[in-house]
Amino acid sequence: GAVVSQHPSWVICKSGTSVKIECRSLDFQATTMFWYRQFPKQSLMLMATSNEGSKATYEQGVEKDKFLINHASLTLSTLTVTSAHPEDSSFYICSASVPSGNTIYFGEGSWLTVV
Amino acid sequence: AQKVTQAQTEISVVEKEDVTLDCVYETRDTTYYLFWYKQPPSGELVFLIRRNSFDEQNEISGRYSWNFQKSTSSFNFTITASQVVDSAVYFCALLTGGGNKLTFGTGTQLKVEL
Repeated sequence: GAVVSQHPSWVICKSGTSVKIECRSLDFQATTMFWYRQFPKQSLMLMATSNEGSKATYEQGVEKDKFLINHASLTLSTLTVTSAHPEDSSFYICSASVPSGNTIYFGEGSWLTVV
Repeated sequence: AQKVTQAQTEISVVEKEDVTLDCVYETRDTTYYLFWYKQPPSGELVFLIRRNSFDEQNEISGRYSWNFQKSTSSFNFTITASQVVDSAVYFCALLTGGGNKLTFGTGTQLKVEL
């Protein structure tokens, strides 16, 4: 079964609004989670590293004020796309590492469409 | 810097054929992990295998097998007797250092037809 759960699976929002995506680790604590973005027919691009209890670390070129990340607990990280625009439409997916080893599991992903 | 190359953008096979997906990686680290993930059309990433750099034994899991060759920095994935349900994008990924940041290849789209 899934060890990382993501919600919602898909969302449609109006341009200018904000959207929140949740990533939860199931049955384990994740001090670090990762957020990726994937455009159609492309690979996954790391956006940011979410650190529990501290600020997220963003990859070069990712606007931290636009993609707000909050990791308030050891099992939940949220990604908020603020003032969304059509170009933000993409597939967003999170990951977390199981503490017992270096196996990394991914959530189901979230399809965002901004109209 | 880390890099993963999946030279095959798309492969089409007929059901029951064997198919090998290539993965070549680059890293200066001596300790690293290699992964394969399957991404069906629904989008989720399904974990298939993890291999650490000190274990060069090949692995077989059902119709799946992996060939890890450090000498050529390759970690190839073979599906035996392919099935339509194997149709997906397959990603090879590299994990180095003490963190959990994966470097992904560009993926190989596998299409298995009847």
